[in-house]
Amino acid sequence: EVVLTQSPATLSLSPGEGATLSCRASQTIGGYLAWYQQKPGQPPRLLIYDSSTRATGIPARFSGSGYGTDFTLTISSLEPEDFALYYCQQRGNRPATFGQGTRLDIK
Amino acid sequence: QVQLVQSGAEMKKPGTSVKISCKTSGYIFTNFYIHWVRQAPVEGLEWMGLINPFGGSTNYAQKFQGRVTMTVDTSTGTLYLEVNSLRSEDTAVYYCARDLVRRGDGGDPVFDYWGQGTLVTVSS
Repeated sequence: EVVLTQSPATLSLSPGEGATLSCRASQTIGGYLAWYQQKPGQPPRLLIYDSSTRATGIPARFSGSGYGTDFTLTISSLEPEDFALYYCQQRGNRPATFGQGTRLDIK
Repeated sequence: QVQLVQSGAEMKKPGTSVKISCKTSGYIFTNFYIHWVRQAPVEGLEWMGLINPFGGSTNYAQKFQGRVTMTVDTSTGTLYLEVNSLRSEDTAVYYCARDLVRRGDGGDPVFDYWGQGTLVTVSS
């Protein structure tokens, strides 16, 4: 199965700064990568799917890019509510798998 | 609005079984695959399998084959996950999640709506 490696494990930034989160796949998955945000005690929330398509209701400050094995989630200007855990998930090879997550902390 | 509401937390002993429910509302129930995903402290998020509410066909992850059963009650729009022969490593939060992708056999999912999660603790 495809292993997704997210980096960094933790990212410490201040509100207003930009954030770049990475997800690397162990084999090519085309453009079939999604990003989720998770806050304590809540289920994951879909942000981006198929590498760059924003889910319904997701603010434009969230954007995704990448193809093949390397993918990026960019948050253009961090809002206080953006500090959370972020996971990537691939559907390009079965079974679907998730990365281990990046924690975005307030600096 | 789309809602997936799961049953409450469970405490179980090793070797026993647990059955979790996921009641759906706010959309045409038979039009979307439902998946089960669990989240454990070490393993992280893990896909367990899927069920097609239209007809009840299932596809389980190889790791869970023979130990999990996914079923559906179409009269109430409720899905069920049963896990047998529980062990301590099954301690996790279990989620049902709707698949945004309506084409194909459900094997290439994007999870657009999630239940609130059900904590299952397995301990002697």
